[in-house]
Amino acid sequence: TQLLEQSPQFLSIQEGENLTVYCNSSSVFSSLQWYRQEPGEGPVLLVTVVTGGEVKKLKRLTFQFGDARKDSSLHITAAQPGDTGLYLCAGTLYSGAGSYQLTFGKGTKLSVIP
Amino acid sequence: GAGVSQSPSNKVTEKGKDVELRCDPISGHTALYWYRQRLGQGLEFLIYFQGNSAPDKSGLPSDRFSAERTGESVSTLTIQRTQQEDSAVYLCASSLSWGYTDTQYFGPGTRLTVL
Repeated sequence: TQLLEQSPQFLSIQEGENLTVYCNSSSVFSSLQWYRQEPGEGPVLLVTVVTGGEVKKLKRLTFQFGDARKDSSLHITAAQPGDTGLYLCAGTLYSGAGSYQLTFGKGTKLSVIP
Repeated sequence: GAGVSQSPSNKVTEKGKDVELRCDPISGHTALYWYRQRLGQGLEFLIYFQGNSAPDKSGLPSDRFSAERTGESVSTLTIQRTQQEDSAVYLCASSLSWGYTDTQYFGPGTRLTVL
């Protein structure tokens, strides 16, 4: 069973369109992170949200953490070809071993067509 | 400054052989993490280190997997008697500490193919 359900799995859109990626769980997370991964590289952190209801903006990207800290969304306005990549959400849960463990969704592969 | 580096970048091995994967974290980062990414899957947590201690080994898939870390520096992930299902990209990450807001910086990964 996947702890973090991410949707859609694949998304192909035209340049200039808007899109939203969703990340859902039945678990409450201490924080929620969004990463972007390019082929042959490791994921790179885009944002960390900590407070329920928190909204963070990064240029054309808007990230929201659900009020109950169980879900999150990533909205991209006026997508550009440079936005193409794999977007991963990851939630942190206390592991009981003195630290927090990151649990990743399966990712959303975004293609923006010029 | 240098980021997280991993070696080798690619490793092809035969079923049953042992492999050793290396991770060099960012200097000064006390926490180090290993993940596995299978094709079409998200990252799967394997193990993490606080310094050279591994308090959470819950993600290791079997006793064929082991990892060690020298001080707060290089770490090696060893897979003994490799199986085809071990084929994946193995990613290493490091962070200053292990809190829930600490940023994990990832290396480029080692792509392991078991024939």
